[in-house]
Amino acid sequence: NAGVTQTPKFQVLKTGQSMTLQCAQDMNHNSMYWYRQDPGMGLRLIYYSASEGTTDKGEVPNGYNVSRLNKREFSLRLESAAPSQTSVYFCASSEIRASGNTIYFGEGSWLTVV
Amino acid sequence: AQSVTQPDIHITVSEGASLELRCNYSYGATPYLFWYVQSPGQGLQLLLKYFSGDTLVQGIKGFEAEFKRSQSSFNLRKPSVHWSDAAEYFCAVAPPLTGGGNKLTFGTGTQLKVEL
Repeated sequence: NAGVTQTPKFQVLKTGQSMTLQCAQDMNHNSMYWYRQDPGMGLRLIYYSASEGTTDKGEVPNGYNVSRLNKREFSLRLESAAPSQTSVYFCASSEIRASGNTIYFGEGSWLTVV
Repeated sequence: AQSVTQPDIHITVSEGASLELRCNYSYGATPYLFWYVQSPGQGLQLLLKYFSGDTLVQGIKGFEAEFKRSQSSFNLRKPSVHWSDAAEYFCAVAPPLTGGGNKLTFGTGTQLKVEL
């Protein structure tokens, strides 16, 4: 029962390098999200995908791109990493129900940009 | 825009003592409300949620929360804290929705320390 799976779990990048964080969910959820977590700031939404084929900006989208590859997978790309992007990144997914929905999180990806 | 305030950055309680973590939100209507817990190096685990109905919500690990519309609050409580409850706790809100993505807005978290 995997839920939401993120890779890699840890990554160190040099400034200017690019990388992609992968996320997959096996719960058949329509909606997927990328958040970043920084000390004292809680979690902030970077991008989300309400359904397959759609993506929208969240609170802090600058410096990131996303791809909703299919219903299961939602990737986050850093084209030119900056030290300000050092953070813990969480992927999440949810289903939309009239009675309310629960958002499930992956275990996080720790990214350091030097 | 919706916002969430967790006024206590750090809280220390003795094991066996009661606990209350505060959460206030700002939103035009009654949002969906959540409490998540995060242990060091781990992801977020849902403790409980409020969508509608009974304003006292029971969650996992003996936690409960009460929604008070008049105070725009959703405080988390536990009658007797265990050492394993030491973690960071996040309150979150999401707009009641009829379609589209459901985007959580998080508070800045409360770090709970439990003294033995």
